[in-house]
Amino acid sequence: GDSVTQMEGPVTLSEEAFLTINCTYTATGYPSLFWYVQYPGEGLQLLLKATKADDKGSNKGFEATYRKETTSFHLEKGSVQVSDSAVYFCALSDGKSGANSKLTFGKGITLSVRP
Amino acid sequence: GAGVSQSPSNKVTEKGKDVELRCDPISGHTALYWYRQSLGQGLEFLIYFQGNSAPDKSGLPSDRFSAERTGGSVSTLTIQRTQQEDSAVYLCASSLGLLDSGNTIYFGEGSWLTVV
Repeated sequence: GDSVTQMEGPVTLSEEAFLTINCTYTATGYPSLFWYVQYPGEGLQLLLKATKADDKGSNKGFEATYRKETTSFHLEKGSVQVSDSAVYFCALSDGKSGANSKLTFGKGITLSVRP
Repeated sequence: GAGVSQSPSNKVTEKGKDVELRCDPISGHTALYWYRQSLGQGLEFLIYFQGNSAPDKSGLPSDRFSAERTGGSVSTLTIQRTQQEDSAVYLCASSLGLLDSGNTIYFGEGSWLTVV
């Protein structure tokens, strides 16, 4: 079945450091890929998405590129801020027409950014 | 409403009691999803609805769990004879249509269930 694997956490960085959070997936067909973020005390929010190979999703300074050849969707940000401290989830939807419309999530990783 | 609304936000119940969790999706969203978030387990898919029907119930952990949706809007997740392992945050989400059409899922803030 479909699955998403995220790097182990937690991750602690200093402000303005470069961030990479790894995500790889296993899926049949042509999935869409997502990063969701959960800030402390808040619900899950869509951060960015990519629906086909080589697409780059971007939002709030974060980027991720859909790499079909390596089945990856790594999240990057050039300079993190304290306000980026949150839990980040990588997810996929398998794109099958109709019958199986759901997201499969990774386990999530906690990012803490120090001032 | 503006977003997905869930109630109660927190529920403490005794082992063996039944609980009902309610979800009010974004107005006009035809697809509705239930997930469970447990410490260290990530997000576990439970069930989704398209309109009032549930094409995929594969994630319901046992027959103590059931869900219904009426009028294509509000959904209720019911857990009978609760057990301590049911303690988790139950997340509801909705989307305008199915995900294969490029729609985005929007999540509520969750119902935190503690079984003591």
